[in-house]
Amino acid sequence: GESVGLHLPTLSVQEGDNSIINCAYSNSASDYFIWYKQESGKGPQFIIDIRSNMDKRQGQRVTVLLNKTVKHLSLQIAATQPGDSAVYFCAENMRGYQKVTFGTGTKLQVIP
Amino acid sequence: DGGITQSPKYLFRKEGQNVTLSCEQNLNHDAMYWYRQDPGQGLRLIYYSQIVNDFQKGDIAEGYSVSREKKESFPLTVTSAQKNPTAFYLCASSTKGPQYEQYFGPGTRLTVT
Repeated sequence: GESVGLHLPTLSVQEGDNSIINCAYSNSASDYFIWYKQESGKGPQFIIDIRSNMDKRQGQRVTVLLNKTVKHLSLQIAATQPGDSAVYFCAENMRGYQKVTFGTGTKLQVIP
Repeated sequence: DGGITQSPKYLFRKEGQNVTLSCEQNLNHDAMYWYRQDPGQGLRLIYYSQIVNDFQKGDIAEGYSVSREKKESFPLTVTSAQKNPTAFYLCASSTKGPQYEQYFGPGTRLTVT
């Protein structure tokens, strides 16, 4: 049956500090991973992706780390700003499958 | 401007009525997706389509139907058979498939009473 709604884990960070959002993914065969940002009442926005042949990828102010051994993904945001306040989702896909599996999300609160 | 649009933003219906949510993209993307999001939860896949006139069920397709008659359009019908239709519905598209970035629309919040 459908799962009951859960309170999102929340990370509170001081403006200007670095944020680290973690995600444990479920399928050891997944080879493509994405981070999305969702602001309240809006659709998710792509932040950064990484394929399983890499363990680190950097974007503008963001870094994604992939540890396949323990099935762990993290998103690091440097110099966190108030505009970074949102819910962050990790997602995974296995090549050949059409479904992208989304995590439940982490809410990032930036304290001015 | 290229993008993906959903309409309406808010939709209210009485129980027992079918309702169709619109999704249009002008990104020339082949793949389109419908997700449902409930409070405090991630996105769950309802239906997806990789090409015109073809679509597949996702994890929670029961009570929903779709069509893909045009590349740009992927409407979702929430039927009266859907037991708990009140939710936030998100449409997305991607260039070729799930190993490419998905572009999301702004969502439609459906309330059924």
